[in-house]
Amino acid sequence: EVQLVESGGGLVLPGGSLKLSCAVSGFTFSASGIHWVRQASGKGLEWVGRMTGKADNSATAYGESVKGRFIIHRDDSENTAYLQLNSLQTEDTAIYYCVTGLRDLRNEMAVWGQGTTVTVSS
Amino acid sequence: QSVLTQPRSATGTPGQRVTMSCSGGTSNIGGRPVNWYQQPPGAAPKLLIYWNNRRPSGVPERFSGSRSGTSASLAISGLQSEDEADYYCAAWDDYVGGWVFGVGTKLTVL
Repeated sequence: EVQLVESGGGLVLPGGSLKLSCAVSGFTFSASGIHWVRQASGKGLEWVGRMTGKADNSATAYGESVKGRFIIHRDDSENTAYLQLNSLQTEDTAIYYCVTGLRDLRNEMAVWGQGTTVTVSS
Repeated sequence: QSVLTQPRSATGTPGQRVTMSCSGGTSNIGGRPVNWYQQPPGAAPKLLIYWNNRRPSGVPERFSGSRSGTSASLAISGLQSEDEADYYCAAWDDYVGGWVFGVGTKLTVL
């Protein structure tokens, strides 16, 4: 069974940084893309960004609201993906979900983790 | 404001068929496949429909999707109480260079 477990969320001051991790188990995800999606309390889903798999050149793309501040990277040897959050603002407060592609759906948002909560507040 | 437009709410009674729409443009739905996600209250989203009309294994046949032009729709037949959830459409957008979501439709089963 494919599982994604996010960690690293917490309370951070405005302007601060945080690094989220996403441990993937149940399959070798080197060929799959990894996405991050966030959801503020009571709001809808917002795509944060993605990194494709090695076969697709590990290409990154980011949503406009986080471009230049957030960075996605991955360690395929550890089956783990990361989201580095910099220059955090109160508007970045949300649940952050890690989402992976799978097989024929390698670049889709196919399997979701349970999320980790980031709170940006003074 | 979301790139993809969805009605904020929908309602139905057990056994009924309900549909919900997702409207976009030529840079997303018009040229890219649409996925649908189901998010029950307090839970993470789950892939429900991919590539406009395909169901992942484990998703009941009573869930179906379609796309026509720059719009897509999700239909649920034989509505059940456990279908009460938020439903989001999503597609890659060539103009913004990223994935875009609809605002989500909250389905209430009366």
